[in-house]
Amino acid sequence: QSVLTQPPSVSAAPGQKVTISCSGSDSNIGNNYVSWYQQLPGTAPKLLIYDNNKRPSGIPDRFSGSKSGTSATLAITGLQTGDEADYYCGTWDNSLSAGQVFGTGTQVTVL
Amino acid sequence: QLQLQESGPGLVKPSETLSLTCTVAGGSFSSSYYWGWIRQPPGQGLEWIGSIYYSGNTYYNPSLKSRVTISVDTSKNQFSLKVNSVADSDTAVYYCARVVGYHDNSGHYTYYFDYWGQGTLVTVSS
Repeated sequence: QSVLTQPPSVSAAPGQKVTISCSGSDSNIGNNYVSWYQQLPGTAPKLLIYDNNKRPSGIPDRFSGSKSGTSATLAITGLQTGDEADYYCGTWDNSLSAGQVFGTGTQVTVL
Repeated sequence: QLQLQESGPGLVKPSETLSLTCTVAGGSFSSSYYWGWIRQPPGQGLEWIGSIYYSGNTYYNPSLKSRVTISVDTSKNQFSLKVNSVADSDTAVYYCARVVGYHDNSGHYTYYFDYWGQGTLVTVSS
């Protein structure tokens, strides 16, 4: 049972923009940094965003992250067929059940 | 380029112990990083299992803590995972990863996985 809630799926046409929300609480997103991962079919997850809005080297600026309060958002602009994947948010949780937590995951479909 | 590779049996019998090793190549192992394990049951999401600092300090998912042990062998650039008393629900793809984790000046924690292994499927079945 994940403590971070994401929409199960989002979709848009090529070239359009999609946003994926990640909802948490004060014990996780509200007080810690958020990361985002892209998991293409049959492959390992790949780091897309860290520290809420920073991109690792090699990640295009079509991918951007933001955080406000206890929620975070991943935006993908200029959507491409190669962006079809599952996306997960992650952060540290400071509660009694402390540790790394992941979101429920969102499947992005390019129409 | 840092590379991580999981290895170990792909089939484990119920009630036995799952053992995996992650070998790290192409970078410094004994530096200020954590090394972690994450798993993903078929068709489901990601679950953090635990992490170990290069010095040996460990942090486990509270829901798995009683059954999990993570250890490190810096001389071999390896870290390992053991899960005791496995059941069907432990069937998953198991990933190893390098972890960046630290508190900033305001006490907020950053914790993320920047390099991942390709993953290995472990099936629990008799």
